Amino acid sequence: DAGVTQSPTHLIKTRGQQVTLRCSPKSGHDTVSWYQQALGQGPQFIFQYYEEEERQRGNFPDRFSGHQFPNYSSELNVNALLLGDSALYLCASSGGGQGALEQFFGPGTRLTVL
Amino acid sequence: DQQVKQNSPSLSVQEGRISILNCDYTNSMFDYFLWYKKYPAEGPTFLISISSIKDKNEDGRFTVFLNKSAKHLSLHIVPSQPGDSAVYFCAAISARGNEKLTFGTGTRLTIIP
Repeated sequence: DAGVTQSPTHLIKTRGQQVTLRCSPKSGHDTVSWYQQALGQGPQFIFQYYEEEERQRGNFPDRFSGHQFPNYSSELNVNALLLGDSALYLCASSGGGQGALEQFFGPGTRLTVL
Repeated sequence: DQQVKQNSPSLSVQEGRISILNCDYTNSMFDYFLWYKKYPAEGPTFLISISSIKDKNEDGRFTVFLNKSAKHLSLHIVPSQPGDSAVYFCAAISARGNEKLTFGTGTRLTIIP
């Protein structure tokens, strides 16, 4: 049973560019959450998708947007990249009635903005 | 506003001894507290949780203690093993459906053989 997968593993972009990160949830999970982990910090909640809708959002600007597909996979898009967007982006999946206590994390995508 | 705090960035413990990781929080609305363990190049993995109505939860070598009046929780690992070397994150959540996890900044635990 594959766990949460994310692609790509690493990404290098320049300021002002746009980036799309992808996440496939664990089998049986229908909810996807995205987190940003800056160096030396804990993961910060970006938003959560359920039934293809953004259900909850953290304190991130509109440059951060997302999407969930009918197969529950998800994308995170970041526009007009800033140096401060350099971080590890983590995707977590949950669902099946277990709620957030059963969130499973992927290995993350390391984004570097130059 | 750091609602969950881990004031010790790092901790070194001798193999076989007890490791104690601490966490403080400020939001009284949190209903559950969780500990996650993270190895390099991997995502955080769930370790153990505790409900706010309890003061202790034990799972094998791992025990979490919650002191609500002090808004403090701790994770005890005994005996500590080399494979326990990792970054440990404390997280909190309000139990209203699939709520967001609020994480602390993490403590890097190193077990010395």
